Amino acid sequence: QKEVEQDPGPLSVPEGAIVSLNCTYSNSAFQYFMWYRQYSRKGPELLMYTYSSGNKEDGRFTAQVDKSSKYISLFIRDSQPSDSATYLCAMWEGGADGLTFGKGTHLIIQP
Amino acid sequence: DTAVSQTPKYLVTQMGNDKSIKCEQNLGHDTMYWYKQDSKKFLKIMFSYNNKELIINETVPNRFSPKSPDKAHLNLHINSLELGDSAVYFCASSQARRGYEQYFGPGTRLTVT
Repeated sequence: QKEVEQDPGPLSVPEGAIVSLNCTYSNSAFQYFMWYRQYSRKGPELLMYTYSSGNKEDGRFTAQVDKSSKYISLFIRDSQPSDSATYLCAMWEGGADGLTFGKGTHLIIQP
Repeated sequence: DTAVSQTPKYLVTQMGNDKSIKCEQNLGHDTMYWYKQDSKKFLKIMFSYNNKELIINETVPNRFSPKSPDKAHLNLHINSLELGDSAVYFCASSQARRGYEQYFGPGTRLTVT
């Protein structure tokens, strides 16, 4: 069983729609949950991180973590064509470990 | 100012060659990482390193070795390149206890022919 599951898409929505991106995981040791955005041929860019369960909002972006269900979400309000990218969820156990990534969801916002 | 930089951006080489990729960060971080992103865009940790500890992902062949001349640099050496090594390699950095806040470089696209 893979540690982090993420639907690769593509997910295509019209401009202005609310976007919901999700990941599930199996490792209970994960403490921090991150969302990265990656444009084509660029490096991943950190959008948000959340510690443990709960919600976190930053502008049009809201990250949600439910540790009891091992499920995390990213919501994008008032989506823009410039939001078109691959969104990667990532998780961190702590210590000197690297991040464990999902495979990424390719998001397309149609003008 | 570029926070995490990598050179070269593209690298095309033949099987059996030895190559290096350089990474530099100017964020004052003390932990650096190498990740590999395969053709299906899956990003996987290869190494994490600070001045005290090197953690190697057990799936990484020993042909790959990180070398750090100082805290701001972590280079990746690859010996006897194979076709399967073709991928995009990303360097990242963070503060030691803030591994959840990693900043990535632009990537090096390695093609082995």
